[in-house]
Amino acid sequence: QKEVEQNSGPLSVPEGAIASLNCTYSDRGSQSFFWYRQYSGKSPELIMFIYSNGDKEDGRFTAQLNKASQYVSLLIRDSQPSDSATYLCAVGGYSTLTFGKGTMLLVSP
Amino acid sequence: DAGVTQSPTHLIKTRGQQVTLRCSPISGHKSVSWYQQVLGQGPQFIFQYYEKEERGRGNFPDRFSARQFPNYSSELNVNALLLGDSALYLCASSSQVQPSSYEQYFGPGTRLTVT
Repeated sequence: QKEVEQNSGPLSVPEGAIASLNCTYSDRGSQSFFWYRQYSGKSPELIMFIYSNGDKEDGRFTAQLNKASQYVSLLIRDSQPSDSATYLCAVGGYSTLTFGKGTMLLVSP
Repeated sequence: DAGVTQSPTHLIKTRGQQVTLRCSPISGHKSVSWYQQVLGQGPQFIFQYYEKEERGRGNFPDRFSARQFPNYSSELNVNALLLGDSALYLCASSSQVQPSSYEQYFGPGTRLTVT
């Protein structure tokens, strides 16, 4: 059974700091990796996707993928209180995304 | 452009009843996937449809069924509701036949409460 593991948190960081969110996955054949942000009571919002080993940057967000270690991470620079949410890691199979349980991030002013 | 739309927003049903949830994908997207998210968990895959054909099915009982229409909208049906079916039901839209390899965009969800 494919598994995606995330620390549940909460991860607490002060405003302006770098938040680092981590995810490991069990299916070595996985090819696509996604980060979704979910505010309480809302649906997941896609914020980053990465398909190749290495780093991918988009604004304050950087996704990092290491397929050999089966590890994907999300860095949020200059964290803002509005970044406080649950971050879901998702790994792509043929027709399905497998999600982790999410990590709650709290950014304090 | 309009995003993924779902209806209804909220729904309260009694055990044993049946429910139908609806989804319209982003214009131009032909793939719709359904997910169930219970409190404190990540979304769990239920079904994927592309061009009106079922392309994937998750580990859910036969009480769950779905279909996709010629205009690419979709319905999810759940029969004989159980208390454990209470969850946020999410519809995701993609332009690709293999949506899990590409970006999927979620609708606002339908919050189902079974009493």
